[in-house]
Amino acid sequence: DQQVKQNSPSLSVQEGRISILNCDYTNSMFDYFLWYKKYPAEGPTFLISISSIKDKNEDGRFTVFLNKSAKHLSLHIVPSQPGDSAVYFCAASVRYSSASKIIFGSGTRLSIRP
Amino acid sequence: GAVVSQHPSWVICKSGTSVKIECRSLDFQATTMFWYRQFPKQSLMLMATSNEGSKATYEQGVEKDKFLINHASLTLSTLTVTSAHPEDSSFYICSAREGAGAGQETQYFGPGTRLLVL
Repeated sequence: DQQVKQNSPSLSVQEGRISILNCDYTNSMFDYFLWYKKYPAEGPTFLISISSIKDKNEDGRFTVFLNKSAKHLSLHIVPSQPGDSAVYFCAASVRYSSASKIIFGSGTRLSIRP
Repeated sequence: GAVVSQHPSWVICKSGTSVKIECRSLDFQATTMFWYRQFPKQSLMLMATSNEGSKATYEQGVEKDKFLINHASLTLSTLTVTSAHPEDSSFYICSAREGAGAGQETQYFGPGTRLLVL
């Protein structure tokens, strides 16, 4: 049961253009969403997050949009740079009792071409 | 800030031996640490959640006697793969979180440990 889905396994974008990575979720109890970037053989690096009470959060070149009614979020990177080439994981946090845990999507491999 | 380290980064062992992986939060106190496993070209699979001073909570399908987790302090958690077999070969990643309250959901990840069991 995939509660967090990234339907595009890969994406290729020209340098300088906008990269848009999409994520869908099924659990309406998710209250916090995160994006992580991961290089091969390394741990994920936190990029940006958004609370379920907001619809947009921006940090430099990275903007995350949340559409709760559609259970959809997206990460926009503009302008895209060669160093952005990596696998991007969408993640959602759900609370249970007094704790919470994160559930990850399957990832999207972003390639920035010159 | 929010640096998490893992040791060792690579380990190769013979089948039947036990391997211990350490996860440390270097510049913050981690009330909760998580252990993940990642197979090639797949997502991160949560194995267990550990809170300092208490027993770990294992995800469904993860053998607690096989993967022993200890979270003895606010900056250190260990994962011991007991009697490792080739199918345990994987990339193990830990993460740490400072608190459990609202706004503290962000987990910071270690660099991962590649385990190869021969």
